[in-house]
Amino acid sequence: SQQGEEDPQALSIQEGENATMNCSYKTSINNLQWYRQNSGRGLVHLILIRSNEREKHSGRLRVTLDTSKKSSSLLITASRAADTASYFCATVLQGGSEKLVFGKGMKLTVNP
Amino acid sequence: DGGITQSPKYLFRKEGQNVTLSCEQNLNHDAMYWYRQDPGQGLRLIYYSQIVNDFQKGDIAEGYSVSREKKESFPLTVTSAQKNPTAFYLCASRTGGSSYNEQFFGPGTRLTVL
Repeated sequence: SQQGEEDPQALSIQEGENATMNCSYKTSINNLQWYRQNSGRGLVHLILIRSNEREKHSGRLRVTLDTSKKSSSLLITASRAADTASYFCATVLQGGSEKLVFGKGMKLTVNP
Repeated sequence: DGGITQSPKYLFRKEGQNVTLSCEQNLNHDAMYWYRQDPGQGLRLIYYSQIVNDFQKGDIAEGYSVSREKKESFPLTVTSAQKNPTAFYLCASRTGGSSYNEQFFGPGTRLTVL
């Protein structure tokens, strides 16, 4: 079952620009997480935002959460070529679920 | 060096054969997970285990089996009953407890059925 859906599915920008990725989900969540995956590798956790939080920062990353709209956005500022990867949002459903439900992901390409 | 290891990195299987994918972690994590990823797709949960000697089916458990005899190890067997096993398999773990935190992923095993 697919809970999150990233938008856009692919984004190509120049180094130094900001990249914004959006995630929409369907049911109430406990928290929402963003992961990065370089081609052919495992996923790396980027940031977690809980349902009672509205915004969180980590280095060049800024995540917002709007539970009324069931959506989240991930902003990467001053992008670098090394940010080229696939990005996934994943949700933990409300009710103490043990499972993370992933979206299909979006491909970010940062051109040098 | 703490982390999650998966082996082998690449695995080739003939149709009708069972194969076992290894996943080991030295992070002292309670929970472990197996996911399948197909090209251009997100991750789908196969099985997960919250404690030793216990595991639950995920969304696509048919054709797969697991065991959790040790805290550090969570091997996945892809059986001949899995009709389309060619995929990228990812193992993950996380600490236990009521506060749901992040998962740590291994590097993955790419399985190809010949």
